Amino acid sequence: GAVVSQHPSWVICKSGTSVKIECRSLDFQATTMFWYRQFPKQSLMLMATSNEGSKATYEQGVEKDKFLINHASLTLSTLTVTSAHPEDSSFYICSATRLAVSYNEQFFGPGTRLTVL
Amino acid sequence: DAKTTQPPSMDCAEGRAANLPCNHSTISGNEYVYWYRQIHSQGPQYIIHGLKNNETNEMASLIITEDRKSSTLILPHATLRDTAVYYCIVRLGLQGAQKLVFGQGTRLTINP
Repeated sequence: GAVVSQHPSWVICKSGTSVKIECRSLDFQATTMFWYRQFPKQSLMLMATSNEGSKATYEQGVEKDKFLINHASLTLSTLTVTSAHPEDSSFYICSATRLAVSYNEQFFGPGTRLTVL
Repeated sequence: DAKTTQPPSMDCAEGRAANLPCNHSTISGNEYVYWYRQIHSQGPQYIIHGLKNNETNEMASLIITEDRKSSTLILPHATLRDTAVYYCIVRLGLQGAQKLVFGQGTRLTINP
């Protein structure tokens, strides 16, 4: 299957700082990338949908000014958590969609664990 | 997208078949059934998907009832590495939104 990478795999930062997480599709061009957040013992919650060259579409309740998404190319999307606070500590997962013959395959990255002190 | 209902947890003995049910009674005609799993602290992994017919691949089999209101994921010979949370998701294919909406899933524990 196709490979999606995330960097960093984990990050610890101080409250008030900004953190950037990268999501890359390594061997295919992604028509769309998605960002999810997962709190301990909970399911994945979709945060936003990102298309190359256009503004991201955020899910209801997700602050677009706090979670900045940039999709600069067909293989790279970044999520920046601005002015991070302890409640932003979570597991952030991206996924990338590759257009297949009859359906859209979606491949997930390994996740980035953010801890805000 | 249609909602799905799955049991919160299941246990299975190593080497036996694990059968994970999913109810999607409000599924519409052009919605697919997808299965993903998430091993602890990793990103979800695609397992299989189907529309109407039963499907099989190297990982699992997917049995969809004739009325498409429920399905069963079958892991034929479960191993300890199959311990994970399994998500059944129903969504449109190419025609509609591409996003996957995750429910709570089934936490499958394979016991030695």
